[in-house]
Amino acid sequence: GQQLNQSPQSMFIQEGEDVSMNCTSSSIFNTWLWYKQDPGEGPVLLIALYKAGELTSNGRLTAQFGITRKDSFLNISASIPSDVGIYFCAGRPLLIYGGSQGNLIFGKGTKLSVKP
Amino acid sequence: GAVVSQHPSRVICKSGTSVKIECRSLDFQATTMFWYRQFPKKSLMLMATSNEGSKATYEQGVEKDKFLINHASLTLSTLTVTSAHPEDSSFYICSAPPLGWGGGGTDTQYFGPGTRLTVL
Repeated sequence: GQQLNQSPQSMFIQEGEDVSMNCTSSSIFNTWLWYKQDPGEGPVLLIALYKAGELTSNGRLTAQFGITRKDSFLNISASIPSDVGIYFCAGRPLLIYGGSQGNLIFGKGTKLSVKP
Repeated sequence: GAVVSQHPSRVICKSGTSVKIECRSLDFQATTMFWYRQFPKKSLMLMATSNEGSKATYEQGVEKDKFLINHASLTLSTLTVTSAHPEDSSFYICSAPPLGWGGGGTDTQYFGPGTRLTVL
């Protein structure tokens, strides 16, 4: 089946630092979504991308839909303590091989923690 | 924005009982809703797609008789875990794309806050 590789798996941040994470796939995606999940909560949509090359910002967050349509990155600038949580990328493949039509495929998440 | 609610947020039940979880889209209609399961520190696993007015579509390996799905209206889908066992304990999350999903700018899903099921 299709998979998304999300990296890094985890990272520690110091307040004020910029953070970067990315997702890659082996096949073409026509939608990339970035979510944040806090403990015990459902994922919250941060940014949605629909076109190759698209660069979209949401406050201190910036995400891009890769030109090849096989990757996306999320940047967080000037991180603050409330940025900690788990960030998931998700994508909808251009071609669906089995399963439910249009189902999202999720990365395994990037856990953001505060440096001790 | 698009708001999805789930009820209950947390449930503890005895082994062998059935538990119903509701997923509601509060400010939009959804002909399709998705049910996910998430284990601790893991990603979301799609269980099934709930379709208003027709049968749900289950992912491979998910028992349809175990996880009953009903999409009664354009704003409500329910997941019933039948004869629950401790291994069914998990975090269940629903999501819904607004009507018109399937292409263009509405190709997104909004998630509910999740339901923590604990089976004793």
